[in-house]
Amino acid sequence: GENVEQHPSTLSVQEGDSAVIKCTYSDSASNYFPWYKQELGKRPQLIIDIRSNVGEKKDQRIAVTLNKTAKHFSLHITETQPEDSAVYFCAALAPSNTGKLIFGQGTTLQVKP
Amino acid sequence: DAGITQSPRHKVTETGTPVTLRCHQTENHRYMYWYRQDPGHGLRLIHYSYGVKDTDKGEVSDGYSVSRSKTEDFLLTLESATSSQTSVYFCAIRGLTGTGNEQYFGPGTRLTVT
Repeated sequence: GENVEQHPSTLSVQEGDSAVIKCTYSDSASNYFPWYKQELGKRPQLIIDIRSNVGEKKDQRIAVTLNKTAKHFSLHITETQPEDSAVYFCAALAPSNTGKLIFGQGTTLQVKP
Repeated sequence: DAGITQSPRHKVTETGTPVTLRCHQTENHRYMYWYRQDPGHGLRLIHYSYGVKDTDKGEVSDGYSVSRSKTEDFLLTLESATSSQTSVYFCAIRGLTGTGNEQYFGPGTRLTVT
């Protein structure tokens, strides 16, 4: 079945710097890759997603890139702010009609003021 | 928040007791999912449902059962709770717009088994 690996597990950056989180997936048939942000004690919130027919997608300070050949995708946050501090999860859609998402292990991002 | 609620929000129970968690949605979503979240493991799928009385296992289904007798409610039952089931449980629904693959989560239930 699908497997998703996420790196790094923790990331600390200075306010204003960029942050990059990377994920790899195992099943080349996966075609949908969302990213979630989870603040402490809160539910995961969908922040951006990408389909396999697109190489890059941007939404203000966040962007996601997808390399289908290498089976990896990345989240890029530019001009980081303290409120970006959270746990970020990547996921890949299992190739079926069930909508099952396989999640990475999570990255704790700390943005230092 | 996609009209998803979970109850209870917090529960402490003893080993060996049965526990039922409820997920309720108000927007007629067909697909519903139960995940558990543990440090270092991300979110892992326990069971999911693709319609009334239609359910299937996820990757960590041992020790759990589910039921869906009506569209709006998806119940997760721990028949005999164990300490390894101490976790935060999230329910999710599959969205009806966008790509149709987006999942939106409920607020979670923190379960402690002593």
